[in-house]
Amino acid sequence: GNSVTQMEGPVTLSEEAFLTINCTYTATGYPSLFWYVQYPGEGLQLLLKATKADDKGSNKGFEATYRKETTSFHLEKGSVQVSDSAVYFCALRGATNKLIFGTGTLLAVQP
Amino acid sequence: SAVISQKPSRDICQRGTSLTIQCQVDSQVTMMFWYRQQPGQSLTLIATANQGSEATYESGFVIDKFPISRPNLTFSTLTVSNMSPEDSSIYLCSLAPRTTDTQYFGPGTRLTVL
Repeated sequence: GNSVTQMEGPVTLSEEAFLTINCTYTATGYPSLFWYVQYPGEGLQLLLKATKADDKGSNKGFEATYRKETTSFHLEKGSVQVSDSAVYFCALRGATNKLIFGTGTLLAVQP
Repeated sequence: SAVISQKPSRDICQRGTSLTIQCQVDSQVTMMFWYRQQPGQSLTLIATANQGSEATYESGFVIDKFPISRPNLTFSTLTVSNMSPEDSSIYLCSLAPRTTDTQYFGPGTRLTVL
């Protein structure tokens, strides 16, 4: 079945550091891929998405490229801020319309 | 985007009791979902609730424990029955409009069972 694997956290970075959170997936067909973010004490928000191979999703300085050849959708940001501290979830949605989540990665950015 | 509200936002309940969580959305959608997020964990799909049909439950979840109603296209309820401390979680309702592949989430109901 479909599944998502993302790097374990916590990831601790200093402000302005470069961020990568790895995400790989297993799916039949051509799923849509998503990154969701959960800030402390808040609900789940869509951060970015990509619906086909080589698409790049971007939002708030974050980017992720849908790589079919490596079945990956790694999240990147060139310069993180303290306000980016949150839990980040990679997810896919396949033909069944069910959204399958990875385990989540806690990012802590220190000033 | 979609506006989703849930009630209650949080509750503390006694073992053996039941709690019904309400989810209201601001637009008509066919597919609604209920998820559970246990402390420090990812989200797990409980069931898919389509209007006019029985909910479809994922492996490990049963109707007797988590009965769901979907009386119309803008409203759904999830009941957590005969609760135990292991049911302490955040329960989230979610919808997927036909016009987009984006899925939206409600703010969640934080349940603590003593």
